[in-house]
Amino acid sequence: EVQLVQSGAEVKKPGESLKISCKGSGYTFTSYWTGWVRQMPGKGLEWMGIIYPTDSDIRYSPSFQGQVTISADKSTTTAYLQWSSLKASDTAMYYCVRQDGWLPDYWGQGTLVIVSS
Amino acid sequence: SSELTQDPTVSVALGQTVRITCQGDSLRSYPASWYQQKPGQAPILVIYDKNKRPSGIPDRFSGFSSGNTASLTITGAQAEDEADYYCSSRGSGGNHLVFGGGTKLTVL
Repeated sequence: EVQLVQSGAEVKKPGESLKISCKGSGYTFTSYWTGWVRQMPGKGLEWMGIIYPTDSDIRYSPSFQGQVTISADKSTTTAYLQWSSLKASDTAMYYCVRQDGWLPDYWGQGTLVIVSS
Repeated sequence: SSELTQDPTVSVALGQTVRITCQGDSLRSYPASWYQQKPGQAPILVIYDKNKRPSGIPDRFSGFSSGNTASLTITGAQAEDEADYYCSSRGSGGNHLVFGGGTKLTVL
């Protein structure tokens, strides 16, 4: 059974750094892209970017390039999304996805990030 | 604004047929997929490659695409189909993915 298990909710202050995780299991982690999708409160889905764990090839959405960093550790089948300096506007639910080519086919349960002073 | 455009709200009477549409230039080149999201839950894939259903998705869900428009049809809508629906496809240039703004489906 394909599973994507994400790290727990986070409450941070503006300016702080953060790294959230997504562990894939039930499939060959290095044969699929792993991506991230943002959903701000009451809003729609926004694709952020993907990583191919085999060679760390990364593709970012133009909207998120330079704003976040995507990485992965194939030895632990875990992907990461990180911020160096959070803003209040980063408050959102973040979903990791397994991507088969350009198709997100499985989703994690989501990680809620709240940024507030 | 999104590269893919969806009507914000659609309603359907219980047991009737409803179509949710998605428009965008990239749909002329790339297939659409559709996701269902219920309140407090992660989205799930319901249609991909225009009209394929993952295992476990009821056959009342179907997809169609022509030109710059893709559609998701629910034939005989059930109360449990009330949810937000999002279309998705590769964006213009083909090097990123985009989602439509979402359609909130109400089953009356």
